[in-house]
Amino acid sequence: GENVEQHPSTLSVQEGDSAVIKCTYSDSASNYFPWYKQELGKGPQLIIDIRSNVGEKKDQRIAVTLNKTAKHFSLHITETQPEDSAVYFCAASTPYNTDKLIFGTGTRLQVFP
Amino acid sequence: DGGITQSPKYLFRKEGQNVTLSCEQNLNHDAMYWYRQDPGQGLRLIYYSQIVNDFQKGDIAEGYSVSREKKESFPLTVTSAQKNPTAFYLCASSMGFRTVAPVGSGNTIYFGEGSWLTVV
Repeated sequence: GENVEQHPSTLSVQEGDSAVIKCTYSDSASNYFPWYKQELGKGPQLIIDIRSNVGEKKDQRIAVTLNKTAKHFSLHITETQPEDSAVYFCAASTPYNTDKLIFGTGTRLQVFP
Repeated sequence: DGGITQSPKYLFRKEGQNVTLSCEQNLNHDAMYWYRQDPGQGLRLIYYSQIVNDFQKGDIAEGYSVSREKKESFPLTVTSAQKNPTAFYLCASSMGFRTVAPVGSGNTIYFGEGSWLTVV
């Protein structure tokens, strides 16, 4: 089945710097890749997603890139702010159950003022 | 407000006891899911349901049971057979497989605020 690996597990940056989180997936047929932000004690919230028919998507300070050949996708956060501090999860949809997500293990991002 | 409501937020279970976590959504979504999250780890799928009166096991279904008698409700029972139930439980929903997603595939999955279960 699908397997998603996520790196790094923790990431510390200075406010204003950029942060990059990377994920790889195993099943080349996977075609939907969302990113979630989870604050302590709360449910994950979708922040951006990308489908396999595009290579990049941007929404203000966050962007996601997808390389289908290499089977990896990345989250980019620019001009980081302390409120960006949270755990970020990537996920990939299993090819034959489009709404059944396989999650990475998460990245704890800390943005220091 | 539209969304997914989980209750209770905190629940304590005694050894040998069954407990039920509630999940209600008013998003008119066909599909609903239960995930388990252990500290510092990712989310693992317990059960999911694509339509009323139907559900399938996820990756870690042992020791859990669900029902889907109504479209808006998907309760999860943690049975005494689940030997390590202490975790954060997340309910989620999406439009479902029968809905045509935008080009590509995959419908957005929305999560509730979670329920903490602790064994005492």
